[in-house]
Amino acid sequence: EVQLVESGGGLAQPGGSLRLSCEASGFIFSNFDLIWVRQAPGQGLEWISYISSSGRSMYYADSVKGRFTISRDNANNSVLLQMSSLRAEDTAIYYCSRPRPTSGWYPKSAFDIWGHGTKVTVSS
Amino acid sequence: DIQMTQSPSTLSASVGDRVTITCRASQSISTWLAWYQQKPGKAPKLLIYEASSLESGVPSRFSGSGSGTEFTLTISSLQPDDFATYYCQQYNSYLYSFGQGTKLEIK
Repeated sequence: EVQLVESGGGLAQPGGSLRLSCEASGFIFSNFDLIWVRQAPGQGLEWISYISSSGRSMYYADSVKGRFTISRDNANNSVLLQMSSLRAEDTAIYYCSRPRPTSGWYPKSAFDIWGHGTKVTVSS
Repeated sequence: DIQMTQSPSTLSASVGDRVTITCRASQSISTWLAWYQQKPGKAPKLLIYEASSLESGVPSRFSGSGSGTEFTLTISSLQPDDFATYYCQQYNSYLYSFGQGTKLEIK
């Protein structure tokens, strides 16, 4: 079964750090880009970070740039999100997601596989 | 960055109704647009990709159209299971922005 499982969420203090992990199974992990998406309580979906299949390209939303770092370990089928300088507004459910296999020439695709999410609360 | 704007934010409808949700991009994204359905406490579910292609297993009452900057998601005959929040997402850019969501409520 194709699956993504997030972990590492919890309570952090403002200014603190957390590291989220997303473990993949059921597919050839090194063939796929991955993203992190978050959802604050009662709010919509916010894309926050992308990493290419090789791990050589990363992008971030302005809201987390300079504070969050995405990385991946293709040998262990996992992607990490290192979060630092946390703020109250980072409180959210964090999802990792994998795109549909691409076909043809276009390198990007919509996201058909999602984890269940991990909850992050930033509060003193 | 590409901004995605959905309308309406909330839509009240009845079982059997035909409903349409609109998504506009701040610049042309060709047909690199997806639609997702999300229910409370659950991860998003992909419904439509490449603006009009139906994801496997998604009922045919869902359809998508559009290109460039304007897109629509149509549900031809609402079923009780369809009351949820819907999001568009562009994948023209690696900065994969979402619309703010449309909550579909029972009238």
